[in-house]
Parts: sequence; structure tokens; C-alpha cells
Amino acid sequence: EPEVTQTPSHQVTQMGQEVILRCVPISNHLYFYWYRQILGQKVEFLVSFYNNEISEKSEIFDDQFSVERPDGSNFTLKIRSTKLEDSAMYFCASSEPGRRADTEAFFGQGTRLTVV
Amino acid sequence: AQSVTQPDIHITVSEGASLELRCNYSYGATPYLFWYVQSPGQGLQLLLKYFSGDTLVQGIKGFEAEFKRSQSSFNLRKPSVHWSDAAEYFCAVGQDTGKLIFGQGTTLQVKP
Repeated sequence: EPEVTQTPSHQVTQMGQEVILRCVPISNHLYFYWYRQILGQKVEFLVSFYNNEISEKSEIFDDQFSVERPDGSNFTLKIRSTKLEDSAMYFCASSEPGRRADTEAFFGQGTRLTVV
Repeated sequence: AQSVTQPDIHITVSEGASLELRCNYSYGATPYLFWYVQSPGQGLQLLLKYFSGDTLVQGIKGFEAEFKRSQSSFNLRKPSVHWSDAAEYFCAVGQDTGKLIFGQGTTLQVKP
């Protein structure tokens, strides 16, 4: 069964360092998302991406964050200068083309980012 | 603003007992509602979804949920819980943009 894969599963980084979280969405999907879950809190939407551009972003997704689809298969989230409060589980998701509100999003297993 | 509330942070049930996880939403139009499950070390897996039609929807793993517009609720149920159902459960509402708004999750513990 096709699945969304994320690497690494766990990343530890020093405050101020840049990190890149990687995701391989399901191959025929066209909509891509990043969510995060700070420990003990809700899963929060960060950004959606379609047709090689950001289609929506939350207030969390400030200038320190960027997304890219560098080739036909990967979808990355970059945090330029990490802060302690960026420590969270980051989930990538993808969905098929179609009416987006009722289209199932498939999630990866997450990358746990720890900023020290 | 749209929101989802899961009133129970943690629930413990005995194996074989019935289960109901509560979810309330705030959304102006007809909501697109989802239940996801996250087992330890796994991603979020869709259990079921509601868009329109029959208000009782069946999902995977023997789960069902009932949409009640008058109560703004979409509670998840299972008649007989198995130990493998221990996980975290998330209710979510989908927006036209494809974005999901999640509740804070309910952790289910199953006693032998």
C-alpha cells in the first residue's frame, strides 16, 4: 500500500542551526502539507503546497520556515534558525487531486525534532 | 473561528468493553469531519470520515461515528475494544482549502 515516508524519524539539533525535514509523498498526490504537534498540544497546520507554490500557511509559518519540492518525489520543510520552541513532532501529509475538503490526507509517521 | 474540542484527554476502558470518544466542533457550514488514530511510532491513520448523507458512518477496525448536527458532535464508538486499540485518537474538521483543524486528541488505554 502506498504510504508517505518521512526522514529522519528523530532529529536533535542545536538552537540556531538549520534543519531540513524530508518527506516523500504518495506518488500520484498533488497536495502536500506540513503539520506539527508540540508535546501535549494539538496537531497544528503549518502549510499547504500545490502546483509548486504555497497555497495556504498558518501564522506559525513565519520567515524562518520554508518548503520546497526540489524534485518529483521529495517535499521538504526547512527551519532556518531553530528555536527551542520549534521542538515538536512534524507530520507530512499528501492528498490526491480533487475536491480538497473531502479528500483524505495520508500522513507520514512523523519526525520528532528536538532543539537543545 | 472553526475549532474542534475533544473533552476527554485520557480514557481507560477494559478490553471487551464499549467505547465512546467525544468530539465537538464549531463550524458554520456543513462540516467535513474525520477521525484519525495514531498508534505509537506510527503516523496518523484515517479511521472514518463524514461529508454528507447517512449520519452514522462506518470506518475501519470496527469503528463507527455519528454526526449530530443539533449537538455539533461527531462521537466515535466501538462496541468491543481490543487491546490493540490503545492509541491516540484525533477528531478533525476539514476546510475547503484542504487544511485540517484537529482536536487535542484523546489517549485510549485498554486494561486487560
